[in-house]
Amino acid sequence: AQKVTQAQTEISVVEKEDVTLDCVYETRDTTYYLFWYKQPPSGELVFLIRRNSFDEQNEISGRYSWNFQKSTSSFNFTITASQVVDSAVYFCALSEATGTYKYIFGTGTRLKVLA
Amino acid sequence: DAGVIQSPRHEVTEMGQEVTLRCKPISGHNSLFWYRQTMMRGLELLIYFNNNVPIDDSGMPEDRFSAKMPNASFSTLKIQPSEPRDSAVYFCASRGGLASYNEQFFGPGTRLTVL
Repeated sequence: AQKVTQAQTEISVVEKEDVTLDCVYETRDTTYYLFWYKQPPSGELVFLIRRNSFDEQNEISGRYSWNFQKSTSSFNFTITASQVVDSAVYFCALSEATGTYKYIFGTGTRLKVLA
Repeated sequence: DAGVIQSPRHEVTEMGQEVTLRCKPISGHNSLFWYRQTMMRGLELLIYFNNNVPIDDSGMPEDRFSAKMPNASFSTLKIQPSEPRDSAVYFCASRGGLASYNEQFFGPGTRLTVL
């Protein structure tokens, strides 16, 4: 069965600290896709990144970086030098290449960045 | 380019009333999803359309809920009669193409309160 686990319910950091949000997934498919979304206090869901199961290269985009490790079924998200504007709920999601094309969402991690 | 458009943004109604939520997907996208977000259940997929045809409605909670997509640029989610437990944020998302690797783009959501 497919499953996405975000064990960290809430994290608080002080501005400029680095923070890593964990995402662990379960799937029996060999081809699948992983996503991260940000939900700021305003409520919308903002797409951050997509990674396919054949590409284990880490990705960096500004202060954001993602570490994908198939061996541990993890797709972790790190924010470097966090800022107050990073305060949001972050969701990890899994989509399989076969079947219904649904997203399986994790329960989200609420990040609070304190000034 | 305009993103996914949802209306209304907020809806307050009384139990027993009919509620209609509206969504305009991104032009050219042929997949449309309706989600519901609550504190208790997180993000739940209600129904998924592809090329205006409902593909998977297994997430629709009960017969009080119905969804239509009369054309590629418009979808509705109707609740009749509404109940207090339907109070939630309802998101519409669209995706270009069949491939599950394509990310979904979410609308701003409709916050529904049923008194």
